[in-house]
Amino acid sequence: GENVEQHPSTLSVQEGDSAVIKCTYSDSASNYFPWYKQELGKGPQLIIDIRSNVGEKKDQRIAVTLNKTAKHFSLHITETQPEDSAVYFCAASITGTASKLTFGTGTRLQVTL
Amino acid sequence: DSGVTQTPKHLITATGQRVTLRCSPRSGDLSVYWYQQSLDQGLQFLIQYYNGEERAKGNILERFSAQQFPDLHSELNLSSLELGDSALYFCASRGGQGYGYTFGSGTRLTVV
Repeated sequence: GENVEQHPSTLSVQEGDSAVIKCTYSDSASNYFPWYKQELGKGPQLIIDIRSNVGEKKDQRIAVTLNKTAKHFSLHITETQPEDSAVYFCAASITGTASKLTFGTGTRLQVTL
Repeated sequence: DSGVTQTPKHLITATGQRVTLRCSPRSGDLSVYWYQQSLDQGLQFLIQYYNGEERAKGNILERFSAQQFPDLHSELNLSSLELGDSALYFCASRGGQGYGYTFGSGTRLTVV
């Protein structure tokens, strides 16, 4: 089955700096890669996703890049703010009615003032 | 509010007992997923239902079972509970062919 590795497990940045989280996946058939943000006591919230026919996607301060050949994808957050502090999860799936998300182990991002 | 409703939010029960967690998906979503998140752990896939039928199974224990009803809500049944079953249990729903999974706020289960 699919295996998703995520690094780093913790990341501390100063407000205004950029943060980068990297993930690799094992199943070359995976074609959908979402990123979720989980705040304490809450459920995961989708922040951005990318499909395998696209190499990069951007939404304001958040961007995701995908390298299908190397089977890795990354989340980039620019101009970080204290409210960006949370746990971030990457995931991968093969779309279809029997699809499921396989998650990475999460990155705890702390944005300090 | 994500549109996915999970009840109850918190549940405390004793070892050996049985509990039922409930999930109502977003309106129109046919797929429901159950995930388990233990303390400081990632999200582990348990099971998926699509329009009432089981479609995918993960590392779900035999003591656990689920079903999806005609109105598309789903229930996760956990029996013979052990201390190690204490975790957050999330439900997610999805429409269409594979994009846009939406998670509920979870049920925190504590087994004492």
